[in-house]
This record gives sequence, C-alpha cells and structure tokens, in this order.
Amino acid sequence: ETTLTQSPAFMSATPGDTVDISCKASQDIDDDVNWYQQKPGEAPIFIIEEATTLVPGIPPRFSGSGYGTDFTLTINNIESEDAAYYFCLQHDNFPLTFGGGTKVEIK
Amino acid sequence: QVQLQESGPGLVKPSQTLSLTCTVSGYSINSGGYYWSWSRQLPGKGLEWIGSIHYTRGTYYTPSLKGRVTISGDTSKNQFSLKLTSVTAADTAIYYCARERNSVMGTYGMDVWGQGTTVTVSS
Repeated sequence: ETTLTQSPAFMSATPGDTVDISCKASQDIDDDVNWYQQKPGEAPIFIIEEATTLVPGIPPRFSGSGYGTDFTLTINNIESEDAAYYFCLQHDNFPLTFGGGTKVEIK
Repeated sequence: QVQLQESGPGLVKPSQTLSLTCTVSGYSINSGGYYWSWSRQLPGKGLEWIGSIHYTRGTYYTPSLKGRVTISGDTSKNQFSLKLTSVTAADTAIYYCARERNSVMGTYGMDVWGQGTTVTVSS
C-alpha cells in the first residue's frame, strides 16, 4: 500500500500569495497523482490529474508538478475563493490512497 | 452533467450493517469506462478508499475492510450500494461515492464525487 504524506496540514495565506502544498509518496508512483479541492458541505472538485494536467474549467492559477515520489500543488496569486481543503490521491496501485489533506485559510 | 448523490441512514447501531446507496444521474453505470467507488473520511483524519465496482472488471476492496464490505450495483435504478457489516464506532465517518475513469490496467482516480453523507455508529 502506498502512503501519501501531505504537508502542511494547515496554512494561512494572504490574497495574491503563492502557496505550495506537498504530497510525498512512500514508493515510486510515476505521475499517478490527482489533486482535489473541497469546500465545507460540498463535493470534492477534481483540479489536477496525472500530477501536472489542469482539469478543464479549473483556473490556471492552479498548477501541479512532480514525478515519482514528490508532488506539489501550487496556487499562484491566491484568491479568497480558494479557501478550502485540498488533498492528493494516488491511483498507481490498489488500494487507492489519499494524502492527509491541507486546510487553506485566506486572511 | 454527471451527478452522484448518497443516501441512507445517518445513524446505525453497533454490530449492525451500514447500508448506503449512490444514485447516479447523467451517465449509465453499466455503460463502461468507469469504476463506481466509495470512500470515507473518519473524524479528524484523511480520506480512506473503501472499494469500487466495474461492470466488466468486478469489485475491488481495501484490504483493511475486506470481509465486511460489499459493493453492488442496480442498473435498473442506475444506483450502486455499499454494505458494511458489524460496524463499530470506528466506522463513524462521512461516506462519499464517486466515479473513477478506468485505465488500461486500473483507474485514473475520481473525476466526479457526491457531496457525502454522515454516518454515526452509536447505540
């Protein structure tokens, strides 16, 4: 089973900041990582697929990078509407596993 | 537009069976190309994938719950269901259903999710 270690668990940002969220895998998982955004009471939204590909309809201030074991979600010029919980998922092998999540607060 | 909606009891007694249904609209669950899955989020913790069903590839379950979990589908109602037996307080969680696009060898992960339903296990 692949363990995903996500950090930080919480971060506070000011509008206009660039924020990075890390997701580290316990073994090589190629680029088989997705990122999701979730707001309270809502369904998670798919934002990045295959580590680096922006899902259609997602603003280009979101980007993903990484391969193998280290992955990063970057939000450039963060906006107040980006306040949410973000989590990574690996789909390289069964069982699918998730990172522990990051709560992003906007000051 | 594909939408998924979970439904079921919000309270289950210990040792009983948790039963949830996911109703899918906008896509036929037996059309192929996708797994239909369940995940859960335990209080204060990250998400845990429970398992999935694919109409030609079968069912897959996480090892930690295997033996207690069954995922099945009802194509006539375009629904799929989760049953988890012998529940304890440790099964208290928000349960999510989702669609996963299948790849040649497995899955590309979830692309559409339900908004989740809270299940509490308590007497």
